[in-house]
Amino acid sequence: ETGVTQTPRHLVMGMTNKKSLKCEQHLGHNAMYWYKQSAKKPLELMFVYNFKEQTENNSVPSRFSPECPNSSHLFLHLHTLQPEDSALYLCASSHPTGELFFGEGSRLTVL
Amino acid sequence: DQQVKQNSPSLSVQEGRISILNCDYTNSMFDYFLWYKKYPAEGPTFLISISSIKDKNEDGRFTVFLNKSAKHLSLHIVPSQPGDSAVYFCAASVGGSQGNLIFGKGTKLSVKP
Repeated sequence: ETGVTQTPRHLVMGMTNKKSLKCEQHLGHNAMYWYKQSAKKPLELMFVYNFKEQTENNSVPSRFSPECPNSSHLFLHLHTLQPEDSALYLCASSHPTGELFFGEGSRLTVL
Repeated sequence: DQQVKQNSPSLSVQEGRISILNCDYTNSMFDYFLWYKKYPAEGPTFLISISSIKDKNEDGRFTVFLNKSAKHLSLHIVPSQPGDSAVYFCAASVGGSQGNLIFGKGTKLSVKP
């Protein structure tokens, strides 16, 4: 238990669906992140939020839309995804010393 | 082009022996390095880190060595235990502990009883 909770753990959606991934942390961290882990690829940073403000968008397609309503919650809204978007999506928050605390991930399958 | 490379996708070691996981990087601006461990169906968890001002950091059975001239770091686990079986990710950042992390692809370690 790292203190970062992601829901749902598994999600199957069609290409025309709209769904959201949720991340919650109660560690008092001010920075939150979305990472994508595809098979045989390094973890890819998607978005960074610091104090609820987006500070980095790593050239992510607009079909992924993040939302950070407060420092404890982070969402990733999904719309008209492609099969190649199927991956494990990991949320993380960071300790002031820099270490990331990851959630268990949301396994997304796009049909 | 990958900035952080873990060239061995897998490693198998006998229980009690030393496990050595390697990581190479190309960006000479990296000044902070970390290792994460990931079990199946779980997110990565922080294991150990090292700043570029050091060449070694030790925490129990885990030691990280940094060779800046070779742009190489390694994680040593001694003695290896079956519970160490997991995927190990190397990560690096520019700007110390506050920089955004660049991850390698990971190395799957299997420790045989």
